[in-house]
Amino acid sequence: AIQMTQSPSSLSASVGDRVTITCRASQGIGNDLGWYQQKPGKAPKLLIYAAFSLQTGVPSRFSGSGSGTDFTLTISSLQPEDFATYYCLQDYNYPYTFGQGTKLEIK
Amino acid sequence: EVQVVESGGGLVQPGRSVRLSCLFSGFIFNNYGMHWVRQGPGKGLEWVASISWNSGSIDYATSVKGRFTISRDSAKNSLYLQMNSLRVEDTALYYCVKDKAAVPGYGLDVWGQGTTVTVSS
Repeated sequence: AIQMTQSPSSLSASVGDRVTITCRASQGIGNDLGWYQQKPGKAPKLLIYAAFSLQTGVPSRFSGSGSGTDFTLTISSLQPEDFATYYCLQDYNYPYTFGQGTKLEIK
Repeated sequence: EVQVVESGGGLVQPGRSVRLSCLFSGFIFNNYGMHWVRQGPGKGLEWVASISWNSGSIDYATSVKGRFTISRDSAKNSLYLQMNSLRVEDTALYYCVKDKAAVPGYGLDVWGQGTTVTVSS
């Protein structure tokens, strides 16, 4: 199975900050990577698919980049509603695998 | 509007069985692959199983292979997860999830509200 290593596991930041979260795959996955946001008590929400495509309705401050094994989620200017846990997911082959998650907290 | 209604969770003893169901509406169910994803208490997300649009391709996580069965009924726009030989470590919130596109690799865009399965004696 492909291992997804996500970092950092937690992050403290302030409103207006630029934040970057990374995921590294144990083998090449092309562009088959998505980013998900999960708030407490809620289902995950798709933010980015196919490494860099913005899901409909997601603010443009979210962006994704990378291909092959190294991927990045960037939030250009944090807003109060962005404090949540973020996960990457490789959907290149089965079994699909998630990163361990990054909890983004208010500094 | 896309809607998902999950049902079937609850408290079950180790070794017993339970069946989860998801009813989808608001899109052409037959066009998309479907998945189950779970989240243990205080833990991260774990992909559990998937089924292609026509049930021709089915895959499972190693942790559930041989115990869980995913299926779908296109006439009822429904997805199912039959969970047998349940273990304490299967305790989790189970989400039914839809592929964004007609082919894999484009993310999972519709998530149910989740149904809780608690395995305990």
